[in-house]
Amino acid sequence: ELKVEQNPLFLSMQEGKNYTIYCNYSTTSDRLYWYRQDPGKSLESLFVLLSNGAVKQEGRLMASLDTKARLSTLHITAAVHDLSATYFCAVDNGNKLVFGAGTILRVKS
Amino acid sequence: AAGVIQSPRHLIKEKRETATLKCYPIPRHDTVYWYQQGPGQDPQFLISFYEKMQSDKGSIPDRFSAQQFSDYHSELNMSSLELGDSALYFCASSLGVYKNSYEQYFGPGTRLTVT
Repeated sequence: ELKVEQNPLFLSMQEGKNYTIYCNYSTTSDRLYWYRQDPGKSLESLFVLLSNGAVKQEGRLMASLDTKARLSTLHITAAVHDLSATYFCAVDNGNKLVFGAGTILRVKS
Repeated sequence: AAGVIQSPRHLIKEKRETATLKCYPIPRHDTVYWYQQGPGQDPQFLISFYEKMQSDKGSIPDRFSAQQFSDYHSELNMSSLELGDSALYFCASSLGVYKNSYEQYFGPGTRLTVT
C-alpha cells in the first residue's frame, strides 16, 4: 500500500525566509503533484512532476522530484504572507491520488 | 477556461437521510474521481469512473454509490448519513490515462454537514 509522508506538518515562517517541505513516498511512482489549499477551498494545482530529476519553478515556489529516493521537495524562497495556506503533495497510484497529510504554512510579518 | 462544476456547494442533512452530489467534468474529460476530505484531513480517494464504467474504488462506504452518465457527469449517492460523513467532497476530472493525460483538475467541492 502506498504511503505518503509530508514534513513538517506545520511551518511558521518569517517573511523573507526560505524553507523546504519534504514529501516521501513508499512505492514507485513517476507522477507527483503539489497542491495548495486555502481554508474551505478547493485544491489548486501548483506543480506536476512527471520524471526523475524534474524541477519546476513558479514565483517563489520550486518543486523537484527524485524518483529513486522517492522524494519530492517544495522549496519556498523569500516567503510572503500570501503564501500562507496548506500544501499537499499527492502521488499517483494507478491514477488515483494518495495525498500526504499536508503542511500548514503560516508566514508572519 | 471551463472548470469542474459541483453542485450543490453546500448541503445540510440530518442523520439517516440521503444526499446526492453532482459533478460536471471539464468538457472532453472522460474520467471522473471522487475524494472525501474530513476536517483537518487530507483528501481520501473514494471512487473513479472512465467512460461510464467504474475504474477504481477506494475507501468508499457501502452506503455510498456512484455512477457516471452518458454525458460524463457523475453523481455520488449517500444513504443513511452519519455524523462522520460531514466533509468536503471533491470531484476531479481528467482527459483519461489512455490519452496519456494524467493531471486531475479539482472542482470547488461540496461541503456536506450532517446534523
